[in-house]
Amino acid sequence: GENVEQHPSTLSVQEGDSAVIKCTYSDSASNYFPWYKQELGKRPQLIIDIRSNVGEKKDQRIAVTLNKTAKHFSLHITETQPEDSAVYFCAANPDYKLSFGAGTTVTVRA
Amino acid sequence: DGGITQSPKYLFRKEGQNVTLSCEQNLNHDAMYWYRQDPGQGLRLIYYSQIVNDFQKGDIAEGYSVSREKKESFPLTVTSAQKNPTAFYLCASQGDTSTEAFFGQGTRLTVV
Repeated sequence: GENVEQHPSTLSVQEGDSAVIKCTYSDSASNYFPWYKQELGKRPQLIIDIRSNVGEKKDQRIAVTLNKTAKHFSLHITETQPEDSAVYFCAANPDYKLSFGAGTTVTVRA
Repeated sequence: DGGITQSPKYLFRKEGQNVTLSCEQNLNHDAMYWYRQDPGQGLRLIYYSQIVNDFQKGDIAEGYSVSREKKESFPLTVTSAQKNPTAFYLCASQGDTSTEAFFGQGTRLTVV
């Protein structure tokens, strides 16, 4: 069944604004939370990940926050650019497998 | 070129036929996964394997089968029992469940 829920399913932002995607997970034993970006017709690629011993991680315009108590984590993209338009997937590792959220289609309007 | 390779990129199957999708990795990864992606949909887990000679059903295993006889290889067979097999299939490998997973380029299967 579904272990990772992701919201929203679509997100449209003005270029230069921020985008936030949220995910929740059910298995408290999960300890690894990656985010993948998939451009049209291509394979998903890792953009950032966080482990359960850390609350926040940042890489240039991208950041991820984790709240283990509430079992949710979020992706933050600042100063969005047209090349940020893609589908973004969150994931967690319940029961020693990698389970993905349903994805968020992000469109950056010029 | 190292990494994870899926073949073929495009595959056409007649109704009632079984077809096997190949996935090979040279990353020395223990874990391998098969996901199905339908248009506008997420990545749904079909089967996964944490170690050679062992594999587990994912969320949508019905109509599919796999084998893991070698660490490098995790082929997926789409059987005639799969009611709606037309989809994009992605294979991934992972060193362990708390490290980056790498994806193959995918196989687009179409039933004709």
